[in-house]
Amino acid sequence: GAGVSQSPSNKVTEKGKDVELRCDPISGHTALYWYRQSLGQGLEFLIYFQGNSAPDKSGLPSDRFSAERTGGSVSTLTIQRTQQEDSAVYLCASSSSGDRDQPQHFGDGTRLSIL
Amino acid sequence: AQSVTQLDSHVSVSEGTPVLLRCNYSSSYSPSLFWYVQHPNKGLQLLLKYTSAATLVKGINGFEAEFKKSETSFHLTKPSAHMSDAAEYFCVVSGAGSYQLTFGKGTKLSVIP
Repeated sequence: GAGVSQSPSNKVTEKGKDVELRCDPISGHTALYWYRQSLGQGLEFLIYFQGNSAPDKSGLPSDRFSAERTGGSVSTLTIQRTQQEDSAVYLCASSSSGDRDQPQHFGDGTRLSIL
Repeated sequence: AQSVTQLDSHVSVSEGTPVLLRCNYSSSYSPSLFWYVQHPNKGLQLLLKYTSAATLVKGINGFEAEFKKSETSFHLTKPSAHMSDAAEYFCVVSGAGSYQLTFGKGTKLSVIP
């Protein structure tokens, strides 16, 4: 079956521009997560959505980062006024529930490069 | 709070020889533990998970891991390495009663023909 789909796979943009990254989770998965993977920092949790509950935004590194999830399905991560330190691979994952025993299924990520 | 330590940043083995990737965890509760694999330019793929059932967990592609509470370890093994196993491997622990994952820094596995 279809896995987690992310787009674009690569994004190159100039410093100061805004970017939007999209994630389409596995159908029926209520939980959706965003992570950032960068050299030297490893994998960092950014934000979590579960059903219609308020998202856990505790991992967002600054107020330039925001995310939304429309209709409990597709999610968009937006980075405003991008900085060079935002260059990283942004990974999205989904799981059937937010239970810690449920494995998270990852997309292939969006590789973001800020010039 | 929980943490994960992957003891080797890089492991190199010859094709056909055993693989051992070491992971120690710290947790104040009974953890859920996972191993994920990441091939170049790909997302993370779940290899196996431990969720307080059998301590020896079998995963995909011939990998298995043993949960040892006394040693707080969850090492990943495979009897015979294949060239396609060359990738980066992450040991992961889930958060207390929640969804947040804590990732190890990864072990890059190289397989020599």
